[in-house]
Amino acid sequence: GAGVSQSPRYKVAKRGQDVALRCDPISGHVSLFWYQQALGQGPEFLTYFQNEAQLDKSGLPSDRFFAERPEGSVSTLKIQRTQQEDSAVYLCASSRTSGRSYNEQFFGPGTRLTVL
Amino acid sequence: AQTVTQSQPEMSVQEAETVTLSCTYDTSESDYYLFWYKQPPSRQMILVIRQEAYKQQNATENRFSVNFQKAAKSFSLKISDSQLGDAAMYFCAYRTYNNNDMRFGAGTRLTVKP
Repeated sequence: GAGVSQSPRYKVAKRGQDVALRCDPISGHVSLFWYQQALGQGPEFLTYFQNEAQLDKSGLPSDRFFAERPEGSVSTLKIQRTQQEDSAVYLCASSRTSGRSYNEQFFGPGTRLTVL
Repeated sequence: AQTVTQSQPEMSVQEAETVTLSCTYDTSESDYYLFWYKQPPSRQMILVIRQEAYKQQNATENRFSVNFQKAAKSFSLKISDSQLGDAAMYFCAYRTYNNNDMRFGAGTRLTVKP
């Protein structure tokens, strides 16, 4: 596709529900990133994939957060037993390659999650 | 740990004037990238400009330029001839050469007055 797409754009969940957020990166992009952006804050890194391998999940705030990218393309961020503090915009980004050389991260429009 | 600080939550500029957004960062690394991103209400983060730490020359992209002071760990963004379309949240970000995740500041909301 032309850019990174994310779905749904908006999600309202009741506390305790499980949610799944989808990211479609730019075709052929090796690297995929998830960020969490709380209201009035900058994005914070959650996790990073290189192809299907999850190389860094140090930013995931708890074991309720789980991300996967089984075929090295589409990725899903799953949040189990949602809590109010999970309310945020979840941004996905992709880049052509990874490593020391510069590769621009292209961002999707994000999914705004509201937990009631 | 690397941190990025934007000390101006909000800034305002008159159309066609110049504005400077401030950013400081803390790192023990010598090789890294610095970025300015624009986030309009649509939430899509758009790269405005980037700077590689080893380059002494300040990066420039049309009306956007940076003042990179490596010793002071300062990285400000200057927007010249401000346009109404420049109104957005602006985020300063940092990334080391070896890590792929970026660290963002809290952002500066820029308003452009007609």
